Amino acid sequence: DVKVTQSSRYLVKRTGEKVFLECVQDMDHENMFWYRQDPGLGLRLIYFSYDVKMKEKGDIPEGYSVSREKKERFSLILESASTNQTSMYLCASSLAGGADTQYFGPGTRLTVL
Amino acid sequence: QKEVEQNSGPLSVPEGAIASLNCTYSDRGSQSFFWYRQYSGKSPELIMSIYSNGDKEDGRFTAQLNKASQYVSLLIRDSQPSDSATYLCAVSTSSARQLTFGSGTQLTVLP
Repeated sequence: DVKVTQSSRYLVKRTGEKVFLECVQDMDHENMFWYRQDPGLGLRLIYFSYDVKMKEKGDIPEGYSVSREKKERFSLILESASTNQTSMYLCASSLAGGADTQYFGPGTRLTVL
Repeated sequence: QKEVEQNSGPLSVPEGAIASLNCTYSDRGSQSFFWYRQYSGKSPELIMSIYSNGDKEDGRFTAQLNKASQYVSLLIRDSQPSDSATYLCAVSTSSARQLTFGSGTQLTVLP
């Protein structure tokens, strides 16, 4: 079974803090994704990566950056957290391409005070 | 116009009934279609994928795809209270590496 893990289930940070969200997958998948999910807005793509050190912006990249130094690990960075970044963050991975199923991690509920 | 649209619901059906969930998409080049189920507080999990016009059945679930009309639907037969969840439709074009998700339909199956 594919396993995608995220470093924290719940996280509380202060405005202006730098925040790191980590995601690890164990199935040698090429693609990894970061989404945020908010009520009424659905899943919105922040960034994705299709190879080590490669990244592409999604629909809402502002205020975020990402890092993929190893194939199995994809990090989301909030350089200076703001209250409007309070959300559920979901990481996903897929073998290759949009035709492939994406497998999701359990999510990180981030609250920025 | 949103790229992938779903009725947000909530949709309520009695136990044992057929639940019908619909999704329309705007990109005619879309090739891959997915239905995910998401329980409250949990992450989405794949129910079915469909790539060709017609029906695809898996147990109590049937996905239907009509590319000419640009819609994909999910039927749940003999609905159970455990089917109560939000159902997300996701669509991808052949050239895209990412999926576009609808905002989801909340389904409640009443005992």
